Amino acid sequence: ILNVEQSPQSLHVQEGDSTNFTCSFPSSNFYALHWYRWETAKSPEALFVMTLNGDEKKKGRISATLNTKEGYSYLYIKGSQPEDSATYLCASTNTGGFKTIFGAGTRLFVKA
Amino acid sequence: DAMVIQNPRYQVTQFGKPVTLSCSQTLNHNVMYWYQQKSSQAPKLLFHYYDKDFNNEADTPDNFQSRRPNTSFCFLDIRSPGLGDAAMYLCATSRGGAGGGYNEQFFGPGTRLTVL
Repeated sequence: ILNVEQSPQSLHVQEGDSTNFTCSFPSSNFYALHWYRWETAKSPEALFVMTLNGDEKKKGRISATLNTKEGYSYLYIKGSQPEDSATYLCASTNTGGFKTIFGAGTRLFVKA
Repeated sequence: DAMVIQNPRYQVTQFGKPVTLSCSQTLNHNVMYWYQQKSSQAPKLLFHYYDKDFNNEADTPDNFQSRRPNTSFCFLDIRSPGLGDAAMYLCATSRGGAGGGYNEQFFGPGTRLTVL
């Protein structure tokens, strides 16, 4: 994998549903994996930064895991709320530099 | 609150007419980035500054230039905008130093550029 790929491209869920997205990234020269949330008309906001294989991070109802050996990360949202509606961007930074490659994002729509 | 500010939020220019987008930050971060995002695509890094050191991405067209007169401000100049340059332009900052690539980036709200 040369690029950062996210799936699904978009997701529609009902309020209260739990959901998860996938981010695949190049495992060679890996340094850090970032998740951002981008609400419409606002600035992308950092959720998590992970560096170590097996890392798990949690913030409220949102959590993320990291597998650097196989090059993927999952983002989980438990009990989705309408305010969770946003685009979730994943980004990978390689070793030794500031080059960060973003995925195209997963667009989440949560219906009340 | 410390933040990253981009002006204007929406910019309309004519084909071939130079345009400048601006970004300012109150975070005192060493690193400032410019990204281009076209509809439904991933944000693409154009270049970044580490302090005064300019780092251009290999595939960034010469049509795109940048200036960073001081820590707080960074400008994106598009010398001759084409229709294909219509996009959202995001500015971001991060702390430098050891493990700089680890540090989260703080984004502005973006400037949406339309080229007529």
